[in-house]
Amino acid sequence: GAGVSQSPSNKVTEKGKDVELRCDPISGHTALYWYRQSLGQGLEFLIYFQGNSAPDKSGLPSDRFSAERTGGSVSTLTIQRTQQEDSAVYLCASSLSLNQPQHFGDGTRLSIL
Amino acid sequence: KNEVEQSPQNLTAQEGEFITINCSYSVGISALHWLQQHPGGGIVSLFMLSSGKKKHGRLIATINIQEKHSSLHITASHPRDSAVYICAVGGSQGNLIFGKGTKLSVKP
Repeated sequence: GAGVSQSPSNKVTEKGKDVELRCDPISGHTALYWYRQSLGQGLEFLIYFQGNSAPDKSGLPSDRFSAERTGGSVSTLTIQRTQQEDSAVYLCASSLSLNQPQHFGDGTRLSIL
Repeated sequence: KNEVEQSPQNLTAQEGEFITINCSYSVGISALHWLQQHPGGGIVSLFMLSSGKKKHGRLIATINIQEKHSSLHITASHPRDSAVYICAVGGSQGNLIFGKGTKLSVKP
């Protein structure tokens, strides 16, 4: 069956541009998570959704980051006015509900020139 | 001090050896996860546990809630087990706090 799908797999953009990353979770999974893995760093939590609702946005690094989820399915993570420190692999995971095993996508490798 | 500490950071073993990776945490958790990240970057969930012990094939995970400690064991290790193993603790909403990972290399 289909796993978590992320697109694009790679994105190279110039500093100052906006980027949009997409996550298509496993069908029927109500919980969706965004994480970031910077080069040489560990994974860090960004935001989670239960259905279309994001109760806690405190993990987002700055107000340039936003995320939404529509129809309880696809989620987009948007980074405005990208900076070089935004370069990282952005990972999405979904689970059947909160506090269940998470299934990870392959990530989007974002490079800011 | 990190909320999730793993040891060792790097581990090299010979094929067939018994391997143990340790994880200690300092926050309250709903569950602890062990993840595997292969060189290509994909992450796979190995275990999610909140008490006791779980076994899957050659992998065993244990957790001691009172001690705030978990271990991942690999029996009869094989070169294909080479990967980064990540311990993560789940908060009340399921969001994960990650350790820095243990890079395992199993030599034939």
